[in-house]
Amino acid sequence: GAVVSQHPSWVICKSGTSVKIECRSLDFQATTMFWYRQFPKQSLMLMATSNEGSKATYEQGVEKDKFLINHASLTLSTLTVTSAHPEDSSFYICSTKGEEGDTQYFGPGTRLTVL
Amino acid sequence: AQSVTQPDIHITVSEGASLELRCNYSYGATPYLFWYVQSPGQGLQLLLKYFSGDTLVQGIKGFEAEFKRSQSSFNLRKPSVHWSDAAEYFCAVLRGFQKLVFGTGTRLLVSP
Repeated sequence: GAVVSQHPSWVICKSGTSVKIECRSLDFQATTMFWYRQFPKQSLMLMATSNEGSKATYEQGVEKDKFLINHASLTLSTLTVTSAHPEDSSFYICSTKGEEGDTQYFGPGTRLTVL
Repeated sequence: AQSVTQPDIHITVSEGASLELRCNYSYGATPYLFWYVQSPGQGLQLLLKYFSGDTLVQGIKGFEAEFKRSQSSFNLRKPSVHWSDAAEYFCAVLRGFQKLVFGTGTRLLVSP
């Protein structure tokens, strides 16, 4: 498997500010990481695929200028929510593929609340 | 398009009783299927997965799942539920080589 951490676990910010969420692969060099969003009592929706050293691939309907993804190293991907608004409040979860290459392992998630 | 259906939004089971959570998929080829569990406010933990071979797969925490191609199903089972099993359970199918498509989840409640 793979062990994935996220920081922070929760964050509260004011509307209009930007928030950065970190996703780290602790025991595996991850060329690919994934960012998901989960609304209360709903399933996970893939936002984007983060590729080390190149631009992220965003899913249809996800604003790339609002959700900036950087994957500068094999162990760290960051998601920055720019000019956050209350509707961006959600649970953000990252994942990475393990050594098997076909199984994703998830971080503990980050709860974002925008006031 | 590939999709996953979990017909039960929530299920209540008595502690010690058996459990079966349903999952149906639509996929043209042999699917890669997963079951994950999510405790409140937590990320997802992999319970088990099926790619090929034996259609009955064993996972962690005493869970198992059976792939039935004829029914397009991958139901999750556990013979005796513990109170700590109360959580949200997600079935997922791998689309292409990377994208996981999740079902809507089933919330398991365990009664004393």
